[in-house]
This record gives sequence, structure tokens and C-alpha cells, in this order.
Amino acid sequence: AQKVTQAQTEISVVEKEDVTLDCVYETRDTTYYLFWYKQPPSGELVFLIRRNSFDEQNEISGRYSWNFQKSTSSFNFTITASQVVDSAVYFCALRKIQGAQKLVFGQGTRLTINP
Amino acid sequence: DGGITQSPKYLFRKEGQNVTLSCEQNLNHDAMYWYRQDPGQGLRLIYYSQIVNDFQKGDIAEGYSVSREKKESFPLTVTSAQKNPTAFYLCASTALRSDTEAFFGQGTRLTVV
Repeated sequence: AQKVTQAQTEISVVEKEDVTLDCVYETRDTTYYLFWYKQPPSGELVFLIRRNSFDEQNEISGRYSWNFQKSTSSFNFTITASQVVDSAVYFCALRKIQGAQKLVFGQGTRLTINP
Repeated sequence: DGGITQSPKYLFRKEGQNVTLSCEQNLNHDAMYWYRQDPGQGLRLIYYSQIVNDFQKGDIAEGYSVSREKKESFPLTVTSAQKNPTAFYLCASTALRSDTEAFFGQGTRLTVV
């Protein structure tokens, strides 16, 4: 069975601080995809990144960076110099590469950036 | 603009009533999904469909039904058998190739009154 754990339920920081959101996963599959989604107050999930289990390179996109470590089954997300607009609920998710594209989500982390 | 449209945004249901949530996409995606979100929990899969006239149960299908008569549409009916229907419901779609991500609608918030 697949499982995703986001142990941080809520995080609150002051603007311009760096913040890391943790994600730990469990799967018996040798190949899989990992995702991060952002859910702003409007409700829809906004795609941020997809990572193939073959590729353990870290990725940076502007103020966002992701650290994938297969050895510890973690896929952490860091926001550098946070901004108020980063306030949202963030979800980590996992799915198989083959077959139906059913996502298994973590519980989500509510991030609040205070001015 | 391509996307997924869910309606209504807010829905109120009386005890014992069936209600239907609409989901329409114009992304030409083959697969569509319904997820349920409860406070403090992640999204859980209710039903999914990879092709017209075919669908499969997800992890929490009891008390729900779906249909897929058109590629663009995947309505979800919350029946009276669903004992705790108050939740936020999200519809998603994907292309069938593996190297892609799911696109989500803006959700429907269902409340039992």
C-alpha cells in the first residue's frame, strides 16, 4: 500500500523567512511519481512539481526548491524568502507510474506567511 | 481557456436527499477523478474513469455514484446512503500518458442541513 505523511499540520512564519515543508512516503513500487500541489483559499489544487523516482536531482524554480532523497523516502519542499502570497495549504502526493493515475495524498500542511 | 469547471460552488443537502455535483472539462483528457477533502485530511479518491462508459471505485466509493456518458463530463451523485457527506469535493482530469499531472477544478463545498 502507498502512504504519504506530512507531519507538519500548520506552519507560521514571518515574511522573508525560509520555510521547509516535509513529506515522507511509503511504497513498494520501485518506480513512481511524487508531486507537490498548492491549494490557495480559492480551493483548486495548483500543480507545482512532478518528480520521477529515477531522478534524484534536486530542483530549483525561482524561490521554490525540492529535495528528493530516495534513501529516506522523503521529498521536501523549501520556499526561500517567503511572501504573503505563499500562504496556502500544500499537499504532497504519490502515484504509480503505470496504470491508473490515482494520487495518494498526504494530510496537507497549512502555511501562513505573516507580514 | 482550457480547464475544469465544477458546479455549484456551494451546495446544501437535506437529510435523505440525493444531490449531483457537476464536473466538465475541455482539456480533451481521457481520465477523470473525484476526490473528497475533509478538514485536516488529504484528498481521498471516490471514483475514477479512464474512458467513456467505464469507471472504477476508489477508496471511499460507498454512498456515491457516477456516470461517464461523455468524455467531457463526469458527474458525481451523493446519495442518501452516504452518512457523512459534508465535505469539499474536487474533480480532476489527466491525459492517459504517464508523464503528466492532474488538473483540478475549483471544488464544490457540500453541507448537510
